[in-house]
Amino acid sequence: ILNVEQSPQSLHVQEGDSTNFTCSFPSSNFYALHWYRWETAKSPEALFVMTLNGDEKKKGRISATLNTKEGYSYLYIKGSQPEDSATYLCAFFGPQAYSGAGSYQLTFGKGTKLSVIP
Amino acid sequence: EAGVAQSPRYKIIEKRQSVAFWCNPISGHATLYWYQQILGQGPKLLIQFQNNGVVDDSQLPKDRFSAERLKGVDSTLKIQPAKLEDSAVYLCASIQSGTGTVIETSYEQYFGPGTRLTVT
Repeated sequence: ILNVEQSPQSLHVQEGDSTNFTCSFPSSNFYALHWYRWETAKSPEALFVMTLNGDEKKKGRISATLNTKEGYSYLYIKGSQPEDSATYLCAFFGPQAYSGAGSYQLTFGKGTKLSVIP
Repeated sequence: EAGVAQSPRYKIIEKRQSVAFWCNPISGHATLYWYQQILGQGPKLLIQFQNNGVVDDSQLPKDRFSAERLKGVDSTLKIQPAKLEDSAVYLCASIQSGTGTVIETSYEQYFGPGTRLTVT
């Protein structure tokens, strides 16, 4: 069974603090690593799709790095704002062992719930 | 561009009752997914469609769950009869994926707001 682990499970930070989360995933059969932000009562939205070892992507105050050889990705938020409060999900895209046909799908971690205190 | 639409947003039913969820993906998106997200867990794929065909339903509990996408556009997921453990958020997602290749299906997914189901 594919295992995608995220840490921490939850995090409370003060407005203006910088923070980071970790996602670990299998280092074999890697195709892509996705990061999504899911605000309460809204649709999950994609932040980044990363495919190459060493990838670094940035969107505003949020950035992510990828290490496919050791199987981890970091998500960084610089100067957290209350509107950053959300659950951040990472998902590994690759072949699924449970499906004999070699289906390729996203396997999600449990997420990191971020609360930014004004 | 309109996003992925889902309805209803919330549903409360008693165990052993039936329920159906509807999803309308982004126009032109050939691949559609249904996910189940139980509280404290990450979303888990239930079924993947490419146009009106099923690509993978190996994690769909077929004794009680069914899904269809008859015209290759909108889709319905049904649970009959519901159990307490079916309480979850049901998410629909779509991607453009014209040919359904592995590379195409690795692209970002566009999600609807989900249906929160409570089974009492």
